[in-house]
Amino acid sequence: AQTVTQSQPEMSVQEAETVTLSCTYDTSENNYYLFWYKQPPSRQMILVIRQEAYKQQNATENRFSVNFQKAAKSFSLKISDSQLGDTAMYFCAFITNFGNEKLTFGTGTRLTIIP
Amino acid sequence: DAGVTQSPTHLIKTRGQQVTLRCSPKSGHDTVSWYQQALGQGPQFIFQYYEEEERQRGNFPDRFSGHQFPNYSSELNVNALLLGDSALYLCASSLLKAGREETQYFGPGTRLLVL
Repeated sequence: AQTVTQSQPEMSVQEAETVTLSCTYDTSENNYYLFWYKQPPSRQMILVIRQEAYKQQNATENRFSVNFQKAAKSFSLKISDSQLGDTAMYFCAFITNFGNEKLTFGTGTRLTIIP
Repeated sequence: DAGVTQSPTHLIKTRGQQVTLRCSPKSGHDTVSWYQQALGQGPQFIFQYYEEEERQRGNFPDRFSGHQFPNYSSELNVNALLLGDSALYLCASSLLKAGREETQYFGPGTRLLVL
């Protein structure tokens, strides 16, 4: 079975600080894609960052970066210089290749940025 | 570049009724996936449509059905509504043909309340 575990239901951090959200996953596939999605109170699911499993280099998108450890099946998200607009639910998800393109999501981490 | 759109934004139904939700994919995308997100949970995969056919299905009963039209837009139908069907229904689009893009982009969702 393919599963995603986010062990931090809630986190809070002061504005401008750095925060890391954890995610572990389980799959028997070797080729897959990992994602972090953000869901603010407006409820629109927004893509934050993606990582191809075959790439060793960690993905970065401005203030967002990941620490991808394939052997450990770990995929954490680091948010630097956090901003009030980063307040949202964050979901880790992955999709495998070869005809099984359904996203498997974790239960989410509610992140609050404190002014 | 038009993103994923969904209609309606909110819907209230009573038990036993039927509902139809609509989705238009991101420009250039050919595949639509539907997810159900219960309150406080991560999205759960319902099914995916490609080339007007259901390509794969999650663990949902036959009361949940769908359709994809030649212009790639899609509908989700739910018959004999139950209280437990109350949720946010998310549509996501992606590209499966040549130049495929595994990343799924989400619409704003339809909030369904069953009374």
